[in-house]
Amino acid sequence: GAGVSQSPSNKVTEKGKDVELRCDPISGHTALYWYRQSLGQGLEFLIYFQGNSAPDKSGLPSDRFSAERTGGSVSTLTIQRTQQEDSAVYLCASSFGSSNEQFFGPGTRLTVL
Amino acid sequence: DAKTTQPNSMESNEEEPVHLPCNHSTISGTDYIHWYRQLPSQGPEYVIHGLTSNVNNRMASLAIAEDRKSSTLILHRATLRDAAVYYCILRAPTTGGTSYGKLTFGQGTILTVHP
Repeated sequence: GAGVSQSPSNKVTEKGKDVELRCDPISGHTALYWYRQSLGQGLEFLIYFQGNSAPDKSGLPSDRFSAERTGGSVSTLTIQRTQQEDSAVYLCASSFGSSNEQFFGPGTRLTVL
Repeated sequence: DAKTTQPNSMESNEEEPVHLPCNHSTISGTDYIHWYRQLPSQGPEYVIHGLTSNVNNRMASLAIAEDRKSSTLILHRATLRDAAVYYCILRAPTTGGTSYGKLTFGQGTILTVHP
């Protein structure tokens, strides 16, 4: 069956531009997570959606970052006015319920010039 | 979140068993011990998890100390494909209205497997 998919796989943008990253979770999974992994850094939690509950945005590094999940399925992570320090691999994961194993997508590599 | 401590790196030979240790001395009574691994250029993948008893699945075994302050991930016969970063993570059980779902990754252990 299909796993978690993310698009684009690579994104190069100029400093100051806005970018949108997309995540398609596994069908039926109620929980969706965004993480990022900077070069040489560990994986950092960004935001978490669980069903119809208010999202946990505690990991978002600044108000330039936002995310939405439409219809309980696809999610979009938006970064406004990108900065060079935003360069990282952005990973999406989904799970059936928030306590079960998380299935990760291949990630989107964002490079801000 | 309670903290875990893992060695930065370990090496193994192909076909040999590998024991990856994790210390979690501040673990609470309801924290589950999860292991994920990240192969090069891929997202993390779930390996195994447990609470108190040792656990086995098709990928690995998890041995949990009686006091739960440490655990060991066991790969019974390492293959070249097992070369990855292995993360030991503590997760509190889901409680309604709180975000126990997120994973808090440390630096993990880089496992190198020699042919």
